[in-house]
Amino acid sequence: RKEVEQDPGPFNVPEGATVAFNCTYSNSASQSFFWYRQDCRKEPKLLMSVYSSGNEDGRFTAQLNRASQYISLLIRDSKLSDSATYLCVVNGNFNKFYFGSGTKLNVKP
Amino acid sequence: NAGVTQTPKFRVLKTGQSMTLLCAQDMNHEYMYWYRQDPGMGLRLIHYSVGEGTTAKGEVPDGYNVSRLKKQNFLLGLESAAPSQTSVYFCASRTGDRPQHFGDGTRLSIL
Repeated sequence: RKEVEQDPGPFNVPEGATVAFNCTYSNSASQSFFWYRQDCRKEPKLLMSVYSSGNEDGRFTAQLNRASQYISLLIRDSKLSDSATYLCVVNGNFNKFYFGSGTKLNVKP
Repeated sequence: NAGVTQTPKFRVLKTGQSMTLLCAQDMNHEYMYWYRQDPGMGLRLIHYSVGEGTTAKGEVPDGYNVSRLKKQNFLLGLESAAPSQTSVYFCASRTGDRPQHFGDGTRLSIL
């Protein structure tokens, strides 16, 4: 079983739509969770950390569900510039981090 | 502030050649990582380091070696390149429990 699993998509949504991605992880001892954004052929860039109580940054909301071992990302009022691949990252043992394979989002005019 | 710098940006090698990829960070971070990313896949950890003079294996270490002689530098070596090592390589660093910062990648093709 993979350490981190994501739906690869693509999610094709119109501008202004709300879209949500989920990511499941296998290590119940994981403590650190992040969402990164990756544009085509570019390096991953931190979008937001995910805290136990959930957190929001503008149009982006991240949630953690420890009981079911998943994290989610909600994007409201989608912009064309939100088109990218979203990577879920979870820490493992001994300072390692595991990446999901990414969920591709296409926002259409 | 440069952050994380990877050199070279692009390289083409022939099978059997050797090369070293350099990752340099100017943020005084303790932890450094080397990943590879293949089409349609997430990043897979090759090797990592929790401090100067220490290295450890990740998920896909075979065919690679690393060294961290100075805190700011993390080198990734390919002793005898194989076509299966054609990939995009990303270096990252972090400190404490903060998230990783990435370099802009090295695109490596092995013919």
